[in-house]
Amino acid sequence: AQSVSQHNHHVILSEAASLELGCNYSYGGTVNLFWYVQYPGQHLQLLLKYFSGDPLVKGIKGFEAEFIKSKFSFNLRKPSVQWSDTAEYFCAVRANQAGTALIFGKGTTLSVSS
Amino acid sequence: KAGVTQTPRYLIKTRGQQVTLSCSPISGHRSVSWYQQTPGQGLQFLFEYFSETQRNKGNFPGRFSGRQFSNSRSEMNVSTLELGDSALYLCASSLGLANSYEQYFGPGTRLTVT
Repeated sequence: AQSVSQHNHHVILSEAASLELGCNYSYGGTVNLFWYVQYPGQHLQLLLKYFSGDPLVKGIKGFEAEFIKSKFSFNLRKPSVQWSDTAEYFCAVRANQAGTALIFGKGTTLSVSS
Repeated sequence: KAGVTQTPRYLIKTRGQQVTLSCSPISGHRSVSWYQQTPGQGLQFLFEYFSETQRNKGNFPGRFSGRQFSNSRSEMNVSTLELGDSALYLCASSLGLANSYEQYFGPGTRLTVT
């Protein structure tokens, strides 16, 4: 069965620090990969997605993620975080075949201090 | 374009009762998926509907059921409520089957079972 692992449960950073959130998945076939963000009091929003092509994908608000197939990883990065990036971040993976579900990681809470 | 809407936003029920939650997808979206979000288990897939047919189902008991109408609106029903059913129930819509398109999430229905 597929699974998604997010290595950090809670990350605390100061403004302007760089961010990298780890995400690994277990599935040997072709996958679609996503990062979602949930700001306090708001609903889940799509940050970025990877379906195929360039493994370095850019999303909204300066976020990017790199798909490394050999490592089964899809880490999220941002060069310089802002206080407004405080939120919960979810990595999600779906096998690229009919009848499969979107599997979410447990989430990483990011707290950014100003 | 309006986003995914869910009603009601908050609900309090007692054990043994049943509950029906409603989801209206983004206009033009034909697939609706449901998820349960709890602090302990995170986001877990319940089921997906497309063209009024259930296309995929997660690992939940038969007390959890759903349906989709011809206008793509969806409802999910939980019968014989248990305390452990307390959760945020999220609906997500996509243009087509969820394995080919990204999903957009609604704000959720917060269900509390007492």
